[in-house]
Amino acid sequence: DTGVSQDPRHKITKRGQNVTFRCDPISEHNRLYWYRQTLGQGPEFLTYFQNEAQLEKSRLLSDRFSAERPKGSFSTLEIQRTEQGDSAMYLCASSLVGQPSTDTQYFGPGTRLTVL
Amino acid sequence: KQEVTQIPAALSVPEGENLVLNCSFTDSAIYNLQWFRQDPGKGLTSLLLIQSSQREQTSGRLNASLDKSSGRSTLYIAASQPGDSATYLCAPRGNTGKLIFGQGTTLQVKP
Repeated sequence: DTGVSQDPRHKITKRGQNVTFRCDPISEHNRLYWYRQTLGQGPEFLTYFQNEAQLEKSRLLSDRFSAERPKGSFSTLEIQRTEQGDSAMYLCASSLVGQPSTDTQYFGPGTRLTVL
Repeated sequence: KQEVTQIPAALSVPEGENLVLNCSFTDSAIYNLQWFRQDPGKGLTSLLLIQSSQREQTSGRLNASLDKSSGRSTLYIAASQPGDSATYLCAPRGNTGKLIFGQGTTLQVKP
């Protein structure tokens, strides 16, 4: 069990550029979540997948944001035409639902995005 | 809409004290509740998960309680140590799977 990994750990980009983040969940975890956290705040939910199906998206996820989990394993989160307000820590989590799992969500180290 | 409040926002204690962190939530229809620890600039570490049917969960020096009907959870830390210094977050989970977080309690334990 290697834990949730995220890549890159840091990303600096200019306003208007596109960025893509990757998340690798704990192997065999069927759920994968994306959250966003700004300084001094708790994380806010963005979206989640069960296997390859995207089951819920937050209203925070504008049409500039898209997430995929094509084979039910790793996931990508893309932000198009980045804005300074997108600067935040993007956190990925995974869990296993179904008996006898408790559905504990395990988080990765995050990707810190800075938009100049 | 679920809202989560954590009190106090910040806490500073001398080493060795026992302390209680409070979490309240507005919607009692939760599936479970997790407590996390976050060190500056890092991801979240899961500490404890309490199912909605449980009243308490313990791990080492940590004990979490849940009173679902009143919308409250507490995290009790026994014999605090400087290494416990971090931000503690509580997050109830609803039926859809997402966690709703409070703003956290930032704890400083002084040697």
